Amino acid sequence: AQKVTQAQTEISVVEKEDVTLDCVYETRDTTYYLFWYKQPPSGELVFLIRRNSFDEQNEISGRYSWNFQKSTSSFNFTITASQVVDSAVYFCALSEAPGNTDKLIFGTGTRLQVFP
Amino acid sequence: EADIYQTPRYLVIGTGKKITLECSQTMGHDKMYWYQQDPGMELHLIHYSYGVNSTEKGDLSSESTVSRIRTEHFPLTLESARPSHTSQYLCASSGDDGGNQPQHFGDGTRLSIL
Repeated sequence: AQKVTQAQTEISVVEKEDVTLDCVYETRDTTYYLFWYKQPPSGELVFLIRRNSFDEQNEISGRYSWNFQKSTSSFNFTITASQVVDSAVYFCALSEAPGNTDKLIFGTGTRLQVFP
Repeated sequence: EADIYQTPRYLVIGTGKKITLECSQTMGHDKMYWYQQDPGMELHLIHYSYGVNSTEKGDLSSESTVSRIRTEHFPLTLESARPSHTSQYLCASSGDDGGNQPQHFGDGTRLSIL
């Protein structure tokens, strides 16, 4: 069965702190894709990153970085020097072997609050 | 920047009314999706489409229906709205460029049934 677990329901930090959002996934497929989305208070979902199961290289984009570890089935997301504008709900998602639909299985989300 | 549009953004309406939530995309994507999300909760797939004249039900059972007569348009209809339908509805689309392409989301429709 496919499943995405985001154990942290809510995290609060003060501006400039680093914060890591955890994501653990379950799948029986050897080919799959992992995603992170950001949902600010306005409600839309903003795509942040896609990673396929064959690429375990960590990725950095500005203050954002992602750590993919197949050995622990984790795809964690770190924000360095957090800012108030980072306040949002962050969703991790899994999509299994390429097919017609690219259906996403979402975690329950982690609400990040960054205080000035 | 993804070009996917949902209208209305907010809708407050009485029980028993017929509602259509509009979703359009200008990217020529074949795959489109509808998700339902209660405030602060996870997203649940309720409908998806591979392309024109293709629609399938998602993982969460929904009383809504969808149609896909044109590539760019994927409306969702509730024949008789009930308070239990109160939720946010998010539409998304994805391309077919190989691999599982990211889904691009609209701004959502926040539906409130009185």
